[in-house]
Amino acid sequence: RKEVEQDPGPFNVPEGATVAFNCTYSNSASQSFFWYRQDCRKEPKLLMSVYSSGNEDGRFTAQLNRASQYISLLIRDSKLSDSATYLCVVNIWESNFGNEKLTFGTGTRLTIIP
Amino acid sequence: GAGVSQSPRYKVAKRGQDVALRCDPISGHVSLFWYQQALGQGPEFLTYFQNEAQLDKSGLPSDRFFAERPEGSVSTLKIQRTQQEDSAVYLCASSLAGGTGSEQYFGPGTRLTVT
Repeated sequence: RKEVEQDPGPFNVPEGATVAFNCTYSNSASQSFFWYRQDCRKEPKLLMSVYSSGNEDGRFTAQLNRASQYISLLIRDSKLSDSATYLCVVNIWESNFGNEKLTFGTGTRLTIIP
Repeated sequence: GAGVSQSPRYKVAKRGQDVALRCDPISGHVSLFWYQQALGQGPEFLTYFQNEAQLDKSGLPSDRFFAERPEGSVSTLKIQRTQQEDSAVYLCASSLAGGTGSEQYFGPGTRLTVT
């Protein structure tokens, strides 16, 4: 079983629609959680961090459920420019030793259709 | 401002050749990470440096892979005797602090093709 699992899609969604992505992680020691966005042939870029209390950034809302080890991302009023691959990411770090690493899901591919 | 830079951006190597991939992190960033991204997959962790110390190399797929960061800034990932399965994008990332889960900033990657 992969440490971070996402539906790879593709999701083809009409412009203006709301779309939701989900992700589960297996390591309960995971400490921080992110959604990254990756455009075709580009590097991943941080979209937003994810907190248990839920957080919103404009049209984007992220939610974390630690008990279920589940992370979600909601995009409202989708734009053509939202077309990309969305990567669910968890981070584990050992502050005593300073060791840390990001573990990525395979990504969910989203295409917004005009 | 300068972000993370990587060179070369593209590399074609014949099977059996050695390659060296360079990463220049953001100035002052303590932590540096290397990831490998195969087509259609998310990035996979390779190795992590905090300053010049390599704290984790558990993701390096074989002893043909070697990374260094001798002065705590620029890093080089070396792959010896390249194989076709090494074809991937190699991403470098840096972050300001180590062991705190702070944001990682990625470079554009080096696309390695082994023929």
